[in-house]
Amino acid sequence: GQQLNQSPQSMFIQEGEDVSMNCTSSSIFNTWLWYKQDPGEGPVLLIALYKAGELTSNGRLTAQFGITRKDSFLNISASIPSDVGIYFCAGLYSNTGNQFYFGTGTSLTVIP
Amino acid sequence: ETGVTQSPTHLIKTRGQQVTLRCSSQSGHNTVSWYQQALGQGPQFIFQYYREEENGRGNFPPRFSGLQFPNYSSELNVNALELDDSALYLCASSLAGGFGGYTFGSGTRLTVV
Repeated sequence: GQQLNQSPQSMFIQEGEDVSMNCTSSSIFNTWLWYKQDPGEGPVLLIALYKAGELTSNGRLTAQFGITRKDSFLNISASIPSDVGIYFCAGLYSNTGNQFYFGTGTSLTVIP
Repeated sequence: ETGVTQSPTHLIKTRGQQVTLRCSSQSGHNTVSWYQQALGQGPQFIFQYYREEENGRGNFPPRFSGLQFPNYSSELNVNALELDDSALYLCASSLAGGFGGYTFGSGTRLTVV
């Protein structure tokens, strides 16, 4: 299957700091999604991206669909304690229909 | 608008047994996908159902099977359980083509002993 590499694997930041994480693949994707997962819960959709170069915001979160269509970035501004969780990217590879491939996740810890 | 609901929330089974997990899709969604999430990993695609037929399958053996019903709800069946099947099983619903992304349920935590 397709491999999505997320980095960093984990982050420890102070409350109020900005956060950046990214996701890269060896294949071209035509949709990128960013999810957040809290312990014991299913992933919750944060942002969906459908076009190369697209930049979309959802409150303090901003995500971009890379121009090469092989990467995506998620930024969180002015982090707060409730941002704690695991962030996953997911990509839709057009040749495999509707199967979204997920990255390995970035674990975010916000220190008050 | 109701979200995706999964049952049961937790389950303990013995190696070799069979298990059935259930999922009710979000209102208006006609496509259901099942994912397996091992501890510390991202979700791995098992299969997807659309119009009551399998519409794509990941790298899982045939002992993983599923059903979709006319009301778009779905079941995941796993036969001959193995210890490595212990994981969080996630159901996700979407519109056809995955447009708008998946809406996930909270998952079923399966432990095989």
